[in-house]
Amino acid sequence: QKEVEQNSGPLSVPEGAIASLNCTYSDRGSQSFFWYRQYSGKSPELIMSIYSNGDKEDGRFTAQLNKASQYVSLLIRDSQPSDSATYLCAVKPGNNRLAFGKGNQVVVIP
Amino acid sequence: GAVVSQHPSWVICKSGTSVKIECRSLDFQATTMFWYRQFPKQSLMLMATSNEGSKATYEQGVEKDKFLINHASLTLSTLTVTSAHPEDSSFYICSARGGAEVSYEQYFGPGTRLTVT
Repeated sequence: QKEVEQNSGPLSVPEGAIASLNCTYSDRGSQSFFWYRQYSGKSPELIMSIYSNGDKEDGRFTAQLNKASQYVSLLIRDSQPSDSATYLCAVKPGNNRLAFGKGNQVVVIP
Repeated sequence: GAVVSQHPSWVICKSGTSVKIECRSLDFQATTMFWYRQFPKQSLMLMATSNEGSKATYEQGVEKDKFLINHASLTLSTLTVTSAHPEDSSFYICSARGGAEVSYEQYFGPGTRLTVT
């Protein structure tokens, strides 16, 4: 079982719609969860971090964490063409180094 | 705040030569630095973790004699790809984790694109 799984294929959303991304993780002892955005040819950029169950909102982004079900999600409201990128879910398991999912590509269609 | 720089941003070298990549945390002290490699359309692969003043810990399958890591100070780590081959061509990204001043979070450098001819 992979440490962090992001199984959805590329996600196409119309401009102004909500993009929803999901991620599951295997280490139940994980305490820190992150979403990174990576534009093509660039390095990842931290956009959200979440540490406790529930929702965390930052601008148009909302991260949701459910430790009992071992999943974390990211919602992007009012999607813009500039949101088109690959979104990486990252989890810090017990060994204290980040484990990354393979990423989900989001394409916002004007 | 929390800026990480890498130099060079891209490099082309001939097979058999060595290349050094620098990673610096500009406005915080990085207790731990990480080196990743990313091939096209694939996710980040952690190569090694280094703590200032101690030897790097390499991930399984990463040759420590080929990828030399030095973390000489709290703001600088270097990765040297020795005897580079075309299959080493990749996007190398460093990441730095600081202390309370950056909420112990991990920030990435802009990456170095290495092409070995």
